[in-house]
Amino acid sequence: AQSVTQLDSQVPVFEEAPVELRCNYSSSVSVYLFWYVQYPNQGLQLLLKYLSGSTLVKGINGFEAEFNKSQTSFHLRKPSVHISDTAEYFCAVSDRDSGYSTLTFGKGTMLLVSP
Amino acid sequence: EAGVAQSPRYKIIEKRQSVAFWCNPISGHATLYWYQQILGQGPKLLIQFQNNGVVDDSQLPKDRFSAERLKGVDSTLKIQPAKLEDSAVYLCASSLSGTPNYGYTFGSGTRLTVV
Repeated sequence: AQSVTQLDSQVPVFEEAPVELRCNYSSSVSVYLFWYVQYPNQGLQLLLKYLSGSTLVKGINGFEAEFNKSQTSFHLRKPSVHISDTAEYFCAVSDRDSGYSTLTFGKGTMLLVSP
Repeated sequence: EAGVAQSPRYKIIEKRQSVAFWCNPISGHATLYWYQQILGQGPKLLIQFQNNGVVDDSQLPKDRFSAERLKGVDSTLKIQPAKLEDSAVYLCASSLSGTPNYGYTFGSGTRLTVV
């Protein structure tokens, strides 16, 4: 079974500051990793995903994440945040080798950007 | 392309009543998922369909929840009778195939309040 831990339930930050949202996963098999963003009253939108290859993955809206297999982490970063980045961010994992695999989500981190 | 359509957007019912949610996935997407997102938690998979067959319903409370995707296109999720703890956002998602590396597309969800 897989699990995802997002260590921070809320991260307050000032506009134009850098931010890192932490994600650790637990799995006995090889995995795919994802970050989704959820704006108020909306569904989840894919930010980026790690499937294979380079461990540094770039996504939409200037976000990037780095896969660290030894630390089983997939932290999300942005060098300079905007007010519009205020949203809930979910890290998710799926089994790479299963024919019909599903996403297991963390509990989410609320990013609060203030002026 | 049109996104994943869900209706209704909001629903308030009394406990022990029944309720149904509808989802129309992106055209051509064979796989359809229903997730339950309780406030403060990440989405939890309830059921996964591949065309009109069930792939995974291990976390669906079958004594009160049911779901169908009769023609392999749109889907209905029903709760009967509802309990207070069923208050949540019910998210529908679809994907081209059963593996998440293709990416999920989520609908905006149905927010259910049981009073």
